[in-house]
Amino acid sequence: AQSVTQLDSHVSVSEGTPVLLRCNYSSSYSPSLFWYVQHPNKGLQLLLKYTSAATLVKGINGFEAEFKKSETSFHLTKPSAHMSDAAEYFCVVSDPGGYNKLIFGAGTRLAVHP
Amino acid sequence: SQTIHQWPATLVQPVGSPLSLECTVEGTSNPNLYWYRQAAGRGLQLLFYSVGIGQISSEVPQNLSASRPQDRQFILSSKKLLLSDSGFYLCASDINYGYTFGSGTRLTVV
Repeated sequence: AQSVTQLDSHVSVSEGTPVLLRCNYSSSYSPSLFWYVQHPNKGLQLLLKYTSAATLVKGINGFEAEFKKSETSFHLTKPSAHMSDAAEYFCVVSDPGGYNKLIFGAGTRLAVHP
Repeated sequence: SQTIHQWPATLVQPVGSPLSLECTVEGTSNPNLYWYRQAAGRGLQLLFYSVGIGQISSEVPQNLSASRPQDRQFILSSKKLLLSDSGFYLCASDINYGYTFGSGTRLTVV
């Protein structure tokens, strides 16, 4: 069965410092993995996705994630945080054995301080 | 590209009242469709998914039901709302891993 674990429920960084949001997955298949961001009272926005191509995936707004099969990880990083990055971030795996339904992690709330 | 129309954006309903949330998809045909719910302070939970007209699978037992009367229409319903039904409901569609989400409905049951 597919599952996703986001290791931190809250992360707090200062503006201009690096961001690391951690995600581990469990999958019986070659997974498709995603990071989504949700700003307050807004819908979900896709940051990036991994679908078995390059292991280092670049997304929007300077975010990137690296797929590490040996560690079953898909951590999200950004070299320099901006105030507008404050939001909830979800690591997601799709379930190809279950009609591609998405399985969400519990989310990580990122706070960015001046 | 796919576009999802979801309405209403916000809804306040009394306990025991019925519910109908509608989702329509444009720009694709025969998508997989999904209803997700996000309770306060929690991640998204898959409620229902559909791979075709009239085909509904439920992920968790609950007070809600779903229907797909047309290829690009997905409806979430309840006969009698409970307080625990409050949350943020998202409709999503998928064609070959091209997921698209609606803008969501924030439901408050009072």
